[in-house]
Amino acid sequence: SQQGEEDPQALSIQEGENATMNCSYKTSINNLQWYRQNSGRGLVHLILIRSNEREKHSGRLRVTLDTSKKSSSLLITASRAADTASYFCATESTPYKYIFGTGTRLKVLA
Amino acid sequence: DAMVIQNPRYQVTQFGKPVTLSCSQTLNHNVMYWYQQKSSQAPKLLFHYYDKDFNNEADTPDNFQSRRPNTSFCFLDIRSPGLGDAAMYLCATSSRAMGARRTEAFFGQGTRLTVV
Repeated sequence: SQQGEEDPQALSIQEGENATMNCSYKTSINNLQWYRQNSGRGLVHLILIRSNEREKHSGRLRVTLDTSKKSSSLLITASRAADTASYFCATESTPYKYIFGTGTRLKVLA
Repeated sequence: DAMVIQNPRYQVTQFGKPVTLSCSQTLNHNVMYWYQQKSSQAPKLLFHYYDKDFNNEADTPDNFQSRRPNTSFCFLDIRSPGLGDAAMYLCATSSRAMGARRTEAFFGQGTRLTVV
């Protein structure tokens, strides 16, 4: 069964704007990860946040985690056309088992 | 530099004809996964190997089997493909060795399976 639900399902923004995606999950987790998938390709790991962390940054990415609400958000700042992709959260509740959310399709218009 | 390699990228098979998808890795990771991803959906975990230990998901159909003859290779066998099995199949690896710094999953580019 799917662990995570993401919203919005689809997001369309202008280049330079920020993009925020949210992920909610159902059970307690060890960590939560965000992945990116270009159309028809494999997934690429972006960032991992552990259950005892609240915020993490990597370049233009900012991830927050609220374990009390069982939710996470991914913020991409100053978006570029090349950021157009699908973004998935994945939770690890059982060791080394990653369950993916439904994904957000991001389109950045040049 | 490819680390998780899936062959072929595109596979067409006939309804009911057994098909095997291949995955190899150069990362020496001890965990290997197979995910099924249908159009515009989340990747769905089918099963994974921790070393030689096979772990099947409860809702993975019996039609799907897997083999891992050694650390580097893992195969997905679909015994009798149906039209509903058409999807992207993604192989991934992760390292759970003691002291592993990075525990995220590394994915191959996927094999897109078409059933005719």
